[in-house]
Amino acid sequence: GESVGLHLPTLSVQEGDNSIINCAYSNSASDYFIWYKQESGKGPQFIIDIRSNMDKRQGQRVTVLLNKTVTHLSLQIAATQPGDSAVYFCAENGFQKLVFGTGTRLLVSP
Amino acid sequence: EPEVTQTPSHQVTQMGQEVILRCVPISNHLYFYWYRQILGQKVEFLVSFYNNEISEKSEIFDDQFSVERPDGSNFTLKIRSTKLEDSAMYFCASSPGRENSPLHFGNGTRLTVT
Repeated sequence: GESVGLHLPTLSVQEGDNSIINCAYSNSASDYFIWYKQESGKGPQFIIDIRSNMDKRQGQRVTVLLNKTVTHLSLQIAATQPGDSAVYFCAENGFQKLVFGTGTRLLVSP
Repeated sequence: EPEVTQTPSHQVTQMGQEVILRCVPISNHLYFYWYRQILGQKVEFLVSFYNNEISEKSEIFDDQFSVERPDGSNFTLKIRSTKLEDSAMYFCASSPGRENSPLHFGNGTRLTVT
């Protein structure tokens, strides 16, 4: 069956550092991926997405990299700020539903 | 920016009781979803809804669950006879319906079954 998972449950960084959050997916036929941020007590918030015909996409301070060869996805956050502290989920969108990974908690210390 | 709104934010109910969780999706969206998240776990798909009918549902979404779009703005999830294990955050989401478009989530209803 489908599965989307994350390598590390918790990532601790210093304010100002760059953060890299990784995700492995098993459905090699997936063609669309999304990163969500979830703060305590809130719903998942869209950060950035990427289609399988791309290997990199950049947003404001965030970059998503897609490596289809090894079915791996990563989220890079530049100059991490305390407000970036949250749980980050990757998800693959099969049009009718979203399959989430287990999440990585990002802790940013001043 | 338009957002998905959910009510109530917290619902406490006794085992065996019926609960209805309410959502107002983004107005021009066509697809609606319910997800749940048990404390400390990942977000799990329950059901998707389009054109006034269920388009897909998970194994979690058994006969105790139902969804409805009673009017042009609300989207509801009903649990007929709640169990302790139904305690979770329930998230409503909506999307424009175009393939490969992100889902927009509400802030959830925390359901506590005692």
